[in-house]
Amino acid sequence: GNSVTQMEGPVTLSEEAFLTINCTYTATGYPSLFWYVQYPGEGLQLLLKATKADDKGSNKGFEATYRKETTSFHLEKGSVQVSDSAVYFCALSEGGYSTLTFGKGTMLLVSP
Amino acid sequence: EAGVAQSPRYKIIEKRQSVAFWCNPISGHATLYWYQQILGQGPKLLIQFQNNGVVDDSQLPKDRFSAERLKGVDSTLKIQPAKLEDSAVYLCASSKLGTGELFFGEGSRLTVL
Repeated sequence: GNSVTQMEGPVTLSEEAFLTINCTYTATGYPSLFWYVQYPGEGLQLLLKATKADDKGSNKGFEATYRKETTSFHLEKGSVQVSDSAVYFCALSEGGYSTLTFGKGTMLLVSP
Repeated sequence: EAGVAQSPRYKIIEKRQSVAFWCNPISGHATLYWYQQILGQGPKLLIQFQNNGVVDDSQLPKDRFSAERLKGVDSTLKIQPAKLEDSAVYLCASSKLGTGELFFGEGSRLTVL
């Protein structure tokens, strides 16, 4: 079956540091890939997505590139802010009904 | 545009009691999902509705969990009887048909004592 593996957290960074959160997936076909973010006390919200190989999703300074050859979708940001502190979930969707399979989540803590 | 509404936000019950959670999706979204998120884990799909029909309930513990979506709009998730391991956040989400972008509510946090 489908699965998503994320790096364990928490990831602790200083403001303006470079961020990478690793995500790899297993799927039978050609899934769409997503990053969702959950800020403290709020629901999950879509951060970015990519629907086919070599696509790059981007939003709010975050980027991730769909790498079919390495089955990866790593999340990056060049300069993190305190307000980026949250839990980040990598997810995939395959098939016509768009069911999402999530990774375990990675907590990011950014200090001033 | 109003988001996905869930209630109650918090619920504490004793084991073997019952509980129900309610969800109102975004207007016009045909697909509704219930996910269970245990502390430290990613959300796990319990059930997915397309309008008022069930698309996937393969991971729903049907001996104690039930869900319905009457008239293809609101949905209720019930647990009866609850077990300690049911302590989790229950997330409702909705999406337009075939988009793959889910919109989540804030969740209902259940504690079973």
